[in-house]
Amino acid sequence: DTAVSQTPKYLVTQMGNDKSIKCEQNLGHDTMYWYKQDSKKFLKIMFSYNNKELIINETVPNRFSPKSPDKAHLNLHINSLELGDSAVYFCASSQEGSMYGYTFGSGTRLTVV
Amino acid sequence: DAKTTQPPSMDCAEGRAANLPCNHSTISGNEYVYWYRQIHSQGPQYIIHGLKNNETNEMASLIITEDRKSSTLILPHATLRDTAVYYCIDVQTGANNLFFGTGTRLTVIP
Repeated sequence: DTAVSQTPKYLVTQMGNDKSIKCEQNLGHDTMYWYKQDSKKFLKIMFSYNNKELIINETVPNRFSPKSPDKAHLNLHINSLELGDSAVYFCASSQEGSMYGYTFGSGTRLTVV
Repeated sequence: DAKTTQPPSMDCAEGRAANLPCNHSTISGNEYVYWYRQIHSQGPQYIIHGLKNNETNEMASLIITEDRKSSTLILPHATLRDTAVYYCIDVQTGANNLFFGTGTRLTVIP
């Protein structure tokens, strides 16, 4: 069973559209994250979220919003997509207090045309 | 931003040990050294972490200098599947963010 799963794996869409990427983890972790990896391969944190707190990287445009229906899911909604949003988006999870690192999903490649 | 520095790239012959260095000269007493790797088109994968003692697991060994200002990740017998970008990250205890630098691109050569 995949520990952190993201859907879709690939997403091609036009500028101005609104889209969502889903993430689910079956590890029982209490914190989930979204990372963005751009064309230069830099991995940057966008959000971290648990049932207590949402932490937003201040560089993330407010067109991006995480939504968590429950502890096992953290979806990423993007409004008014722009060409610069093209990237690979990774979801991850971790357990507070655990020393064993984050578990990442396999990524969603978003292409805005 | 990442506070570690790593060489941008390294090569290693298949079957030999790969030694990947990392400088974290500004690490504080409550920060751990974590290593992750990212194989092409996959999500980052946790490898190992340590505070001040050397650590070993089924994937790798981590050697941390006594002053904790640098460390080396050792893959004892590199295989072609170990070709990846390796990230060294210092993480504060209880912190909930990983800040990735540019990493070291390791290429294992047949």
